[in-house]
Amino acid sequence: SQQGEEDPQALSIQEGENATMNCSYKTSINNLQWYRQNSGRGLVHLILIRSNEREKHSGRLRVTLDTSKKSSSLLITASRAADTASYFCGLRGSNYKLTFGKGTLLTVNP
Amino acid sequence: GAGVSQSPSNKVTEKGKDVELRCDPISGHTALYWYRQRLGQGLEFLIYFQGNSAPDKSGLPSDRFSAERTGESVSTLTIQRTQQEDSAVYLCASSLGYQETQYFGPGTRLLVL
Repeated sequence: SQQGEEDPQALSIQEGENATMNCSYKTSINNLQWYRQNSGRGLVHLILIRSNEREKHSGRLRVTLDTSKKSSSLLITASRAADTASYFCGLRGSNYKLTFGKGTLLTVNP
Repeated sequence: GAGVSQSPSNKVTEKGKDVELRCDPISGHTALYWYRQRLGQGLEFLIYFQGNSAPDKSGLPSDRFSAERTGESVSTLTIQRTQQEDSAVYLCASSLGYQETQYFGPGTRLLVL
């Protein structure tokens, strides 16, 4: 079944640097949603991008979607220590199911 | 307004006992989902409720797992005769419609000894 694959599995950067995470998938999607998870608890929704959109922004976050390459990227600019978390992409196909990969663990060092 | 809430936050139980996990979705959200997340893993879909339609139970790992939802409100996930491999964080999410953003609760961390 459809499952996103986040890359890299882990990323460690210094505060102030930009962080880029990628998500690849195999079959067509209706939309793609990026989430953040702190300390293995609830997921916080960041951005939803639909299949007919190519780029969306929210504050320091920028998400791109390339449906021809079946990939999406999440860029966090001017990172902060508080951005340390796991980031997941959730894939929505034609039905209601949202499938997730294993996530990217981002560590921002002060 | 209030987000998705779940209770208990943490649950420690002995192997073989039954546990019941509760989820209160955002008011007005017709869709409700349960997921399981094992340590260091992504989320596994368990079950989906949409309004008064029959739920999609295709993700439930065994017949020890069941879930109910009363109308468009509270849902309970029940695990009977718990096993150590049931230890995980159980996350509930709700959305306005099935294609919309899912909002997650803080999860229930279950530990089966």
